[in-house]
Amino acid sequence: GAVVSQHPSRVICKSGTSVKIECRSLDFQATTMFWYRQFPKQSLMLMATSNEGSKATYEQGVEKDKFLINHASLTLSTLTVTSAHPEDSSFYICSATDRGKYEQYFGPGTRLTVT
Amino acid sequence: GQSLEQPSEVTAVEGAIVQINCTYQTSGFYGLSWYQQHDGGAPTFLSYNALDGLEETGRFSSFLSRSDSYGYLLLQELQMKDSASYFCAVNPLASGNTGKLIFGQGTTLQVKP
Repeated sequence: GAVVSQHPSRVICKSGTSVKIECRSLDFQATTMFWYRQFPKQSLMLMATSNEGSKATYEQGVEKDKFLINHASLTLSTLTVTSAHPEDSSFYICSATDRGKYEQYFGPGTRLTVT
Repeated sequence: GQSLEQPSEVTAVEGAIVQINCTYQTSGFYGLSWYQQHDGGAPTFLSYNALDGLEETGRFSSFLSRSDSYGYLLLQELQMKDSASYFCAVNPLASGNTGKLIFGQGTTLQVKP
């Protein structure tokens, strides 16, 4: 099946700093990528939809200036958490779809801890 | 908007059959999907129903009834490795078939020996 990678898998940063998370589709071209956050024992909350070469579409309540998304190519999307605070600590997961497919392929996730 | 309801926890024994229900309120969707997520891992796709009826994939089957706003995931011959969280999800018509998914709250399945 299709493979999506995420980097880094874990990151610890200090309050006020920014963190970039990369999401790559390794063996297919992802026309659309999605970014989720997940708190322990909870569901996946969609943050934004990212299309190659265009601005991301953010879900209601998600600050676009805080969570910067760039989808520079058909295989790479990045999420930058700017001016991170402890409440941003979470599990961030990306996913990607292939054109015309309904299945989403998920990355392994990034555990962000802000101290 | 969309909302999907699932039981929070289900417990079953090895070898048994378990059904995880998903009831939804939605303004319209392309299909109902099911994903499995082991603790700390990535969700993985299990099944998809675009039309009413039963879809079978090995030990897993999924059912959809749009008239009843209801679906379920059926797991047969349960194995210990099936202990995980299971999420139903819909891709809303309003998303323009981008593949966007809205997830239910998830059901934690615990399989006991």
